[in-house]
Amino acid sequence: QKEVEQNSGPLSVPEGAIASLNCTYSDRVSQSFFWYRQYSGKSPELIMSIYSNGDKEDGRFTAQLNKASQYVSLLIRDSQPSDSATYLCAVNLRNTGNQFYFGTGTSLTVIP
Amino acid sequence: NAGVTQTPKFQVLKTGQSMTLQCAQDMNHNSMYWYRQDPGMGLRLIYYSASEGTTDKGEVPNGYNVSRLNKREFSLRLESAAPSQTSVYFCASSNYEGDYGYTFGSGTRLTVV
Repeated sequence: QKEVEQNSGPLSVPEGAIASLNCTYSDRVSQSFFWYRQYSGKSPELIMSIYSNGDKEDGRFTAQLNKASQYVSLLIRDSQPSDSATYLCAVNLRNTGNQFYFGTGTSLTVIP
Repeated sequence: NAGVTQTPKFQVLKTGQSMTLQCAQDMNHNSMYWYRQDPGMGLRLIYYSASEGTTDKGEVPNGYNVSRLNKREFSLRLESAAPSQTSVYFCASSNYEGDYGYTFGSGTRLTVV
């Protein structure tokens, strides 16, 4: 089992819809959780971080964390074609140190 | 602010050649990392440096060496390139605890023929 798992997709949603991206992780001692957006041919860009159970909202993005179930999700409301990208989940799996493990990413396409 | 700067952006090597990828950050971060990204494999950690003067192996260190030259700079060296090292390489940096995530460089696309 990989430390961080994501559904690779591709996920397609119509413009204006809600896109839901999910990520599960294996280590219960994880501290920090991040979502990165990566456009084709570009480097990953941090869009959300979450550290405690519950929801965290930033504009059209909402990150949700459930440590008991070991999953973190990202909701994108009012999806736009510019949201089309690969979304990477990153987890700090260790209580000490600062190594992150990345999921393989979910490819999202927003259809105009 | 430049953030994390990687050079070169593209490189083609012949099998057996050596090269060094350069990375510099201007965010006063303690920790720096080298990742490779391959289709279907995601980002895999090659080496990291938690702080100046220290380096440690990541998930896929074989065939690579690193040098943390100072707080700003962290280089990755391929001593004898192999086709299996064809990949996109990303340098990243963070504060020591990683609380605020990583900042990535723009990447180096390396092809070994």
